[in-house]
Amino acid sequence: SYELTQPPSVSVSPGQTASITCSGDKLGDKYACWYQQKPGQSPVLVIYQDDKRPSGIPERFSGSNSGNTATLTISGTQAMDEADYYCQAWDSRNAYYVFGTGTKVTVL
Amino acid sequence: QLQLQESGPGLVKPSETLSLTCTVSGGSISSSSYFWGWIRQPPGKGLEWIGSIYYSGSTYYNPSLKSRATIIVDMAKNQFSLKLRSVTAADTAVYYCARQSIYSGTYLQGDGAFDFWGQGTMVTVSS
Repeated sequence: SYELTQPPSVSVSPGQTASITCSGDKLGDKYACWYQQKPGQSPVLVIYQDDKRPSGIPERFSGSNSGNTATLTISGTQAMDEADYYCQAWDSRNAYYVFGTGTKVTVL
Repeated sequence: QLQLQESGPGLVKPSETLSLTCTVSGGSISSSSYFWGWIRQPPGKGLEWIGSIYYSGSTYYNPSLKSRATIIVDMAKNQFSLKLRSVTAADTAVYYCARQSIYSGTYLQGDGAFDFWGQGTMVTVSS
């Protein structure tokens, strides 16, 4: 089965840049998207089709995808960005969507 | 504004069938370019895609759940539903329904993303 691996945690100081990676075999050949989930809340889509932001998502969220790694970057991180982040991609061999293992972002 | 609301029993006995319904308001379930999906999250764990359905009835499932899961759509009620058979404690989770936008227009392109979510409903499997 296809696996997407993320670091369990990332720490960042307010105003700095946080980078969250998502690794999978030939992930750059697939589309990746990213979700933000705060405690007790439903996930929110923050990036789709590798690098596109849905309406209402701040410009400080950006994405890229190449090789075996997709990256979500939060520039000028704010306290409100503290949350769990999940990547998602399509396993074309088995025709199903896979979520990453999740990364907890802490703003210190 | 599109809204999705899950409903169903919060407690299911082992070996029985989990049944949930998602009611869509503020938009039509028969809109093109959208699938409608179920995702679950065990307590303290990550997200798992269960499956998605198009208004025509076309479905895709997670292979690990395909033998036990069935998703159907009711256009008249603007709802879609999940049935998960033979449940065990491992099926205890928050179950979310969500709209899945298919940006390329072709599901197998794999660019579907869940852009509207319900609030989720906790289902516990226990005797």
